[in-house]
Amino acid sequence: DTQLTQSPSSLSASIGDRVTITCRASQRMNSFLNWYQQKPGKAPKLLIYAASSLQSGVPSRFSGSGSGTDFTLTISSLQPEDFATYFCQQSASLPLTFGGGTKVDMK
Amino acid sequence: EAQLVESGGGLIQPGGSLTLSCAASGFTVSGHYMNWVRQTPGRGLEWVSIIETGGDTYYADSVKGRFTISRDNSRNTLFLHMNSLTAEDTAIYYCARDRRGSDHEFAYWGQGTLVTVS
Repeated sequence: DTQLTQSPSSLSASIGDRVTITCRASQRMNSFLNWYQQKPGKAPKLLIYAASSLQSGVPSRFSGSGSGTDFTLTISSLQPEDFATYFCQQSASLPLTFGGGTKVDMK
Repeated sequence: EAQLVESGGGLIQPGGSLTLSCAASGFTVSGHYMNWVRQTPGRGLEWVSIIETGGDTYYADSVKGRFTISRDNSRNTLFLHMNSLTAEDTAIYYCARDRRGSDHEFAYWGQGTLVTVS
């Protein structure tokens, strides 16, 4: 199984900050890496698929990069609605797996 | 717009059985990869099962032999039949649809249904 390790597990940031979250895979998987945002009491929401493609309707301040084993989610300028937990997920092979999550809260 | 609505969760005793349903609208379940994903505070998000467009099914090792995924095309509904439940199966269960029709990206999610085994 492919293990995904996210870092940090939590971070505190201010409105307007640039935020970077990383996801490292236990084996190479080309660009089969996706990012989700989850708010309390809600289902996850797909932000980025195939490592760097922006899902329809997602603001352009979100971007993804990486390939192989190392991936990054960047929020260029944090907005109030971006305080949430973010997860990576690999879609390269079954079983599909998720990272442990990164909680972004207000500094 | 694609929508998913889960139902069937609840409190069940260890060793019991439960069936979850996921009613779809705005698309046909048979035309997409459909999944069940569960979430707990301790184990995070865990993929449970998938039924592909051709009908092939796959399971996480933790549920293999106990859970069965199926779909009813006439009702446009996805199911998860769960047997021999244990406390480890306590979670919020989400159904999730792929993005385009044959990928493993979860673009659409239901609101989730809580299963408590106790």
